[in-house]
Amino acid sequence: GAGVSQSPSNKVTEKGKDVELRCDPISGHTALYWYRQSLGQGLEFLIYFQGNSAPDKSGLPSDRFSAERTGGSVSTLTIQRTQQEDSAVYLCASSLGVGGGFINEQFFGPGTRLTVL
Amino acid sequence: KQEVTQIPAALSVPEGENLVLNCSFTDSAIYNLQWFRQDPGKGLTSLLLIQSSQREQTSGRLNASLDKSSGRSTLYIAASQPGDSATYLCAFSGNTGKLIFGQGTTLQVKP
Repeated sequence: GAGVSQSPSNKVTEKGKDVELRCDPISGHTALYWYRQSLGQGLEFLIYFQGNSAPDKSGLPSDRFSAERTGGSVSTLTIQRTQQEDSAVYLCASSLGVGGGFINEQFFGPGTRLTVL
Repeated sequence: KQEVTQIPAALSVPEGENLVLNCSFTDSAIYNLQWFRQDPGKGLTSLLLIQSSQREQTSGRLNASLDKSSGRSTLYIAASQPGDSATYLCAFSGNTGKLIFGQGTTLQVKP
């Protein structure tokens, strides 16, 4: 079946512009995660959606970052007034979520490489 | 705060060798761990998932173990091949599933 897809694969923008990154999770997966991978910081958690619960935004680095998940499926990560330090690969993952005391396996998309000039 | 350390940071071996990648964590209150593979410029491919109640998982030439009491996990790769060359990442999750990653081990298998 289809895996997690992300678009665009690459995005180059100018400092101060807003960008939107899209994630299409695996069909039927209730949990969706955003991570960021940068040279100096490695892979770090940004935000997590589980079903209809309020999202866990504890990893968002500033209020310029926001995300939403419409209809329990597609998610969009928005970065406002981009800065050069926002340059990174943004990865999305989905899973069947939490159930029966188990945390299910996460499957990752190919990522969006963001470059802020 | 959970911290994850992977040793070594880089490893180069000749084809055919068996090898072990190490991962240690500071907080034993984990729910599971995953080992991933990442090829240059690509996303993450899940290799193995071990739930906290399990001790090990095997897939083909790969075997991953988990010892919560010592705060360690290992990934064993048998009979390494040049196609195994990649960065290997371990990650632990708490009760929400969000993953905390190590910095990775970059493996090169020489023909």
